Amino acid sequence: GDSVTQMEGPVTLSEEACLTINCTYTATGYPSLFWYVQYPGEGLQLLLKATKADDKGSNKGFEATYRKETTSFHLEKGSVQVSDSAVYFCALVVGGSNYKLTFGKGTLLTVNP
Amino acid sequence: DTEVTQTPKHLVMGMTNKKSLKCEQHMGHRAMYWYKQKAKKPPELMFVYSYEKLSINESVPSRFSPECPNSSLLNLHLHALQPEDSALYLCASSFSPQGRTNEKLFFGSGTQLSVL
Repeated sequence: GDSVTQMEGPVTLSEEACLTINCTYTATGYPSLFWYVQYPGEGLQLLLKATKADDKGSNKGFEATYRKETTSFHLEKGSVQVSDSAVYFCALVVGGSNYKLTFGKGTLLTVNP
Repeated sequence: DTEVTQTPKHLVMGMTNKKSLKCEQHMGHRAMYWYKQKAKKPPELMFVYSYEKLSINESVPSRFSPECPNSSLLNLHLHALQPEDSALYLCASSFSPQGRTNEKLFFGSGTQLSVL
């Protein structure tokens, strides 16, 4: 079946540090890949997405590149802010699945001033 | 309006109570979803409605009963819940019910449910 493995947290960084959260996947078909973010007390928001190999998704300074050869979709940001503190979920969906997202376990990021 | 609105935000209920969670969107989306999220875990899909018809039930116990009265509203009726059902219940919607893989889900903020 489909699965997503992402870096276990929690991750604690100082403001302006570099961030990488690793995500790898296995899929029965050709997946689209997503990063969702959940701020404290809120629902999930789409952060970025990529739908085919070598696509780069980007938003709010975050980037992730769809690497088919390594089945990876690592999330990166060059300089984190306190406001980036949240839980980050890597996810995939395979066509024809009636939009059943498969999530990773989530990574809690805390950024200290 | 690009929001999914859920009410109530918090709910405490006893094991013999009957309550309902409500979800509303006015984006013209034709697919709506219920997810359950336990603390420090990812969301788990419970139900999917496509064009107001139930299309996926992920083997959810019958004490959870979904209802889609119209294309903008989604309810989750709760009866005889157990303490282990305490969780954050998230509603989501998407434009296409056929699962276009480049489409995103819009999530509500959730209802934090505590069953005593």
